[in-house]
Amino acid sequence: RKEVEQDPGPFNVPEGATVAFNCTYSNSASQSFFWYRQDCRKEPKLLMSVYSSGNEDGRFTAQLNRASQYISLLIRDSKLSDSATYLCVVNRGGGSYIPTFGRGTSLIVHP
Amino acid sequence: EAGVAQSPRYKIIEKRQSVAFWCNPISGHATLYWYQQILGQGPKLLIQFQNNGVVDDSQLPKDRFSAERLKGVDSTLKIQPAKLEDSAVYLCASSFGQSALGTDTQYFGPGTRLTVL
Repeated sequence: RKEVEQDPGPFNVPEGATVAFNCTYSNSASQSFFWYRQDCRKEPKLLMSVYSSGNEDGRFTAQLNRASQYISLLIRDSKLSDSATYLCVVNRGGGSYIPTFGRGTSLIVHP
Repeated sequence: EAGVAQSPRYKIIEKRQSVAFWCNPISGHATLYWYQQILGQGPKLLIQFQNNGVVDDSQLPKDRFSAERLKGVDSTLKIQPAKLEDSAVYLCASSFGQSALGTDTQYFGPGTRLTVL
């Protein structure tokens, strides 16, 4: 089993739709979790950290489920500009916080 | 604030040649990462430095790849000799590196796109 797994998609949705991505991780000792966004031929940029209690930033909501070892990202009211690849990142624990990226989920928002 | 700088942006070499990439992290960032991103995949961590010490290099193919971070600031990644499968984007990232919970944001440079013919 891979350390971090994501459905590569693509998820093809109309503007205004709500879409959700999941990411599973295998190491139960993982300590910190993130979603990064990567536009085509650009570098990844932090979208949001994922906290145990769940967190929201505008139209984006991130959740962590430690028992089932997955994190999720919900995007409400999708915009054309949300089209990108969404990368899940899990930091291994043990004090060194070594990051592992998933392969990313591609989102295409169409008019 | 200046971002992470990388050079060159593009490099084309023939297999068995050598190549070097340079990264200048954000000022004050203690942690520096080198990633390899093959088309259609997520970034794969090659090596992580904390100041000038190596935190993890378990996925660095040490028979051909080497990296150093002298004086805990700039870093270079070298491939010698290159293989066809090394064609990828090489991303450098840095983070403040002081979070006790590992919640630091990574800031990425624009990457170097390497083509090995």
